Formats: sequence, C-alpha cells, structure tokens
Amino acid sequence: DTAVSQTPKYLVTQMGNDKSIKCEQNLGHDTMYWYKQDSKKFLKIMFSYNNKELIINETVPNRFSPKSPDKAHLNLHINSLELGDSAVYFCASSRWGSGQNNEQFFGPGTRLTVL
Amino acid sequence: KQEVTQIPAALSVPEGENLVLNCSFTDSAIYNLQWFRQDPGKGLTSLLLIQSSQREQTSGRLNASLDKSSGRSTLYIAASQPGDSATYLCAVSDTDKLIFGTGTRLQVFP
Repeated sequence: DTAVSQTPKYLVTQMGNDKSIKCEQNLGHDTMYWYKQDSKKFLKIMFSYNNKELIINETVPNRFSPKSPDKAHLNLHINSLELGDSAVYFCASSRWGSGQNNEQFFGPGTRLTVL
Repeated sequence: KQEVTQIPAALSVPEGENLVLNCSFTDSAIYNLQWFRQDPGKGLTSLLLIQSSQREQTSGRLNASLDKSSGRSTLYIAASQPGDSATYLCAVSDTDKLIFGTGTRLQVFP
C-alpha cells in the first residue's frame, strides 16, 4: 500500500554514466516533485510537474531531465554523472490547487553514489 | 529569498521530557508550514501541516504552532520517548514548492 514509491533504493555507478530513477504515486495526486538531499542533509527542490507539465526547474544542470509519462509517474534521468551528483533524491506528490492545504508526501528516497 | 532556519541543530534529552523545536523563516508570505520526521537512511514522514491562516495543529503528543507575522513555528513534543529519536525538518510552502530548514537532530535516551 505504498503511497509514493521509488526505484531503485540504492544506485552506485561510475562517473560519466547515464542513469534513471523512477517514481510512482498511487494517491491520485496531479503534482509530483523531485528534491535533492546533499551530504549535509539539506533538502532542496529540483523540479515539479503538474499534469505532466513542467512547473518548476530550479536551475538544475540540463544533464538532469525529468519525464512524466502520466500523472502518477515522474522519472528522473541523469546524463554524464559527476561526483557532485552523489546525494539522496526524493520524489514527492501533492494535490495541485489545494492552496493552504497542499500537503506533500514523500517517497523513501534513492541514494545515488557516483564513483 | 525565503530562508528557513531550525534551532537547535541537535538535542539530546532523557525520556519523559517535554521539548520544543524551533523553526524560523524570513518571508511571511507562505501558504503553509509542514513538520516532517526523517529517520536515518529513510524517507520523510509528514507529521503536521499548519495552514497559513491557522495558529496551531495537534496530533497525539505533537503540537505545532505558527506565528506568521514573526516568521516562527514551534514543534512541541510531550513526554518524549526513545522512539521519537530522529531528525525533524520544517518546511514552508510558497504555493508550489517546499523550502526546507536545516533540521534538528533529536536523541531521546532511556
């Protein structure tokens, strides 16, 4: 009965490789997000999608490309991985237009390690 | 630019104590404020959401207050237990994204 799920949970790869992280939510939400938590545990927004449309792109390098095939899925593809991309990536979802009641629900995170 | 700060950065208390975690933000134009809990190596669990028009929210032993005009929120944990040990994060929402604080790492020892 997982609300927001991500795969894989751990990802270890070499510098220069291309990798993808998948996210799915079964909450019926129409907005999904990617956040990055760096080595100092600081969480920051990367992207948000509403109804498959990009809403937020927080000056993330264009090596990162989110893709939303439908409202329930938001995938993150990363090209030419760099050491600094090592972090935990969290997916989240919420209901758009709920104003002050816009509560976000988070997935378990994907720990990416670039060697 | 919105900045969110949490004090203290770390807290260690004996079981049974009541404690207060603080969160401050620089721009009062927020939609809501959420408190989360993060266990080591795990995701974020939403604890409480306070809408900008509200003053407080309660869930079990947790009570969160919001003073938007002064840019402050507090999370009160009553009768703390070892199972409350985790990192607590506050985040403010400016319509469509959350801006997180730096977190308070809480340890409750028996």
